[in-house]
Amino acid sequence: EIVLTQSPGTLSLSPGERATLSCRASQSVSDNYLAWYQQKPGQAPRLLIYGASSRATGISDRFSGSGSGTDFTLTISRLEPEDFAVYYCQQYSGSRAFGQGTKVEIK
Amino acid sequence: EVQLVESGGGLVQPGGSLRLSCAASGFTFTDYWMSWVRQAPGKGLEWVANIKQDGSEKYYVDSVKGRFIISRDNAKNSLYLQMNSLRAEDTAVYYCARDRPVSYYDSSGFYFWGQGTLVTVSS
Repeated sequence: EIVLTQSPGTLSLSPGERATLSCRASQSVSDNYLAWYQQKPGQAPRLLIYGASSRATGISDRFSGSGSGTDFTLTISRLEPEDFAVYYCQQYSGSRAFGQGTKVEIK
Repeated sequence: EVQLVESGGGLVQPGGSLRLSCAASGFTFTDYWMSWVRQAPGKGLEWVANIKQDGSEKYYVDSVKGRFIISRDNAKNSLYLQMNSLRAEDTAVYYCARDRPVSYYDSSGFYFWGQGTLVTVSS
């Protein structure tokens, strides 16, 4: 079973700054079936990125995903106030395991 | 518009049972696997179980194997989670989510989620 490890646990940044979130898999993710989600308090998660780098419908181009194999990255180019949230990665090629999350907080 | 609406959560004693339901609309239910995902208070997301379109394949996270049963009724566009032998650590918001489509190569993660239903296991 693939284990996903996200880093850092918390990222403290200011609006306008660039955020770089990492997701490392314990073994290669088949077909790069790696997704990223954003979750705000009291809300269900929202799909941002699938297939490691494809943006979901309606997602701002501030969000981009990259990587392959075992190392994946979510980049938020310029943080807007609404981007401060918790972000999860998930692999969906076998089991549907999630990473433990990265909280992006206002510095 | 795709909608997933969970129901059935509540307070239950340790060792008790509860059945969650998820009513789906706005898409062809029989074209998709479906999943349950949970989130304990203040914690991260944990995938719980999923089920194939025709119910012939079901998979579970190790922590619920032998206690939870996922099922679906395609005639009612509904997904279920029967939870037995509940423990305090099962306390969480339970979400249903639309999983992969018939074709594996059209997979795109969990595009749609319900709003969640809270299950509290406590005496």
